[in-house]
Amino acid sequence: DGGITQSPKYLFRKEGQNVTLSCEQNLNHDAMYWYRQDPGQGLRLIYYSQIVNDFQKGDIAEGYSVSREKKESFPLTVTSAQKNPTAFYLCASSIDVLAANTGELFFGEGSRLTVL
Amino acid sequence: AQTVTQSQPEMSVQEAETVTLSCTYDTSESDYYLFWYKQPPSRQMILVIRQEAYKQQNATENRFSVNFQKAAKSFSLKISDSQLGDAAMYFCAYYPLQTGANNLFFGTGTRLTVIP
Repeated sequence: DGGITQSPKYLFRKEGQNVTLSCEQNLNHDAMYWYRQDPGQGLRLIYYSQIVNDFQKGDIAEGYSVSREKKESFPLTVTSAQKNPTAFYLCASSIDVLAANTGELFFGEGSRLTVL
Repeated sequence: AQTVTQSQPEMSVQEAETVTLSCTYDTSESDYYLFWYKQPPSRQMILVIRQEAYKQQNATENRFSVNFQKAAKSFSLKISDSQLGDAAMYFCAYYPLQTGANNLFFGTGTRLTVIP
């Protein structure tokens, strides 16, 4: 089945450690996104990528890094520089960035990161 | 600044009844898209309905319809004949076409409970 797979679903991290969240899609979509979801807040864009080897900062990129070496993969690293990393992280994709204009984002099931 | 406001953190509806979720947004642009996304307990976001700002006719998708009031910057979602499977978080989102920010701006969400 086509879709977006995020792993792990739950992750615990000690302060000062980097952690990488995986996002894989088999939809052949060009564009991929990372959002952060906090209780009582809407989704906020961390990074997005329109094509392989290209990515752009979103509204809250500080303390995060990404890579896009393959079309189907867009991992997110939460670094120790992120001051408040405990959150729910959602990965999404669209056929291309323009397709995002029509709202056709496909989301994964998310990863919950807890910093101990 | 572009903001999306959902003033109802929680709503409930009796099964088979109708419920309306409210959303207002703030923008100075004339061209944009508006969306309602559903996030069920599985946490995977799903697009429910989309409205183009240039269209006066309200969008409908089966039991889901919107009341789009452009001058009032209001975009409510009506769910008719509510079903147990409609229970979820609902997010209103806005996409500005003119600035091309490649970003959906989300509201804080409304949690809908469907009472059997």
